[in-house]
Amino acid sequence: EADIYQTPRYLVIGTGKKITLECSQTMGHDKMYWYQQDPGMELHLIHYSYGVNSTEKGDLSSESTVSRIRTEHFPLTLESARPSHTSQYLCACRAYQETQYFGPGTRLLVL
Amino acid sequence: AQSVTQLDSQVPVFEEAPVELRCNYSSSVSVYLFWYVQYPNQGLQLLLKYLSGSTLVKGINGFEAEFNKSQTSFHLRKPSVHISDTAEYFCAVSDPGGNEKLTFGTGTRLTIIP
Repeated sequence: EADIYQTPRYLVIGTGKKITLECSQTMGHDKMYWYQQDPGMELHLIHYSYGVNSTEKGDLSSESTVSRIRTEHFPLTLESARPSHTSQYLCACRAYQETQYFGPGTRLLVL
Repeated sequence: AQSVTQLDSQVPVFEEAPVELRCNYSSSVSVYLFWYVQYPNQGLQLLLKYLSGSTLVKGINGFEAEFNKSQTSFHLRKPSVHISDTAEYFCAVSDPGGNEKLTFGTGTRLTIIP
């Protein structure tokens, strides 16, 4: 099982601030994913990466951006947070043909 | 394109009673199927998965699911539930031949009544 970490777990921030949600995994998995989940709703894929220097947009359009400079690290950035960005953000990773393992999530509230 | 339908948004069940959470999928290709559980304020945890082979899959915490290709279903079952099973349950599908992205259903909230 993968160890995958997300920080912060909870974030309350004002409109217009720049924020970075951190995601790290210790298993060396190549593929990593970011999902957005509104309360009581399904998960929507917003970004994914096949490996270092690889990033792709997911199925749900998002104003956030991601980077993958190191295998273990896949941060998500919002340049200017808005109330519409309020949601839960879940990071996941997987090795080839293996299961996706999820982090605990970051709950974001933009005032 | 793939899609997943979870027919029940909420399922209340008495403790020690059996439960079935329904999941149907649509896909033009063969699929991998998953059930994840999400406890309050936590991320998703894998319950079980179907990749190939036996259509009856056993997972953690006493859960099992049966893949039915003709009915395109992957229903989750447990013969006797506990209070600790209260959570949100998500069915998901991925395309083994593609980029292996997961497509999730809308989730089923399982509430156990003491």
